[in-house]
Amino acid sequence: NAGVTQTPKFRILKIGQSMTLQCAQDMNHNYMYWYRQDPGMGLKLIYYSVGAGITDKGEVPNGYNVSRSTTEDFPLRLELAAPSQTSVYFCASLSGTGSYEQYFGPGTRLTVT
Amino acid sequence: AQSVTQLDSQVPVFEEAPVELRCNYSSSVSVYLFWYVQYPNQGLQLLLKYLSGSTLVESINGFEAEFNKSQTSFHLRKPSVHISDTAEYFCAVTGGGGATNKLIFGTGTLLAVQP
Repeated sequence: NAGVTQTPKFRILKIGQSMTLQCAQDMNHNYMYWYRQDPGMGLKLIYYSVGAGITDKGEVPNGYNVSRSTTEDFPLRLELAAPSQTSVYFCASLSGTGSYEQYFGPGTRLTVT
Repeated sequence: AQSVTQLDSQVPVFEEAPVELRCNYSSSVSVYLFWYVQYPNQGLQLLLKYLSGSTLVESINGFEAEFNKSQTSFHLRKPSVHISDTAEYFCAVTGGGGATNKLIFGTGTLLAVQP
């Protein structure tokens, strides 16, 4: 199992550009999450999904969109990138069968200039 | 609403010394508690968790944490640290039995082990 994979690892965007951060998991997990990590702030939940076709907002959803058309994939879309979206983005998944452990991807470091 | 407080943003310690990383939480419902570790330029990995049962939980690499309901704490301890323990440690909480399994994270504590 590859676990949770994220692409790209690094990206530099200009203000106003758009991009999609990819996340995939091969563990057949129902739950998937997107977080952003800023220095000294811990991780903040952006969006989450409890299964294919079901998504909901987390704590800091503004400026982002998600979709979950399959169990495996959970892409995060940034529209009209802003400097405030400079961050490290982590995707995570959880099986939902009682272990409560979230498995994290390696992260995408995004800089908006 | 649930919240997690990690008062120490950075804890410097010498190799082979003991360490305690503090975590306090607030919640109106029963909780599950976690410690995650993040090594430089990597994602987070689960270190240990408390779901129910014994209030003292241990990891495979010598860390332990004790759930204290009366003090709403879940402090992480290790009796003797190694250079390789240098990392950022995050305490997290989720409401037991919640439908979304969302985690609330603390702001993290950087454990800096010096030779």
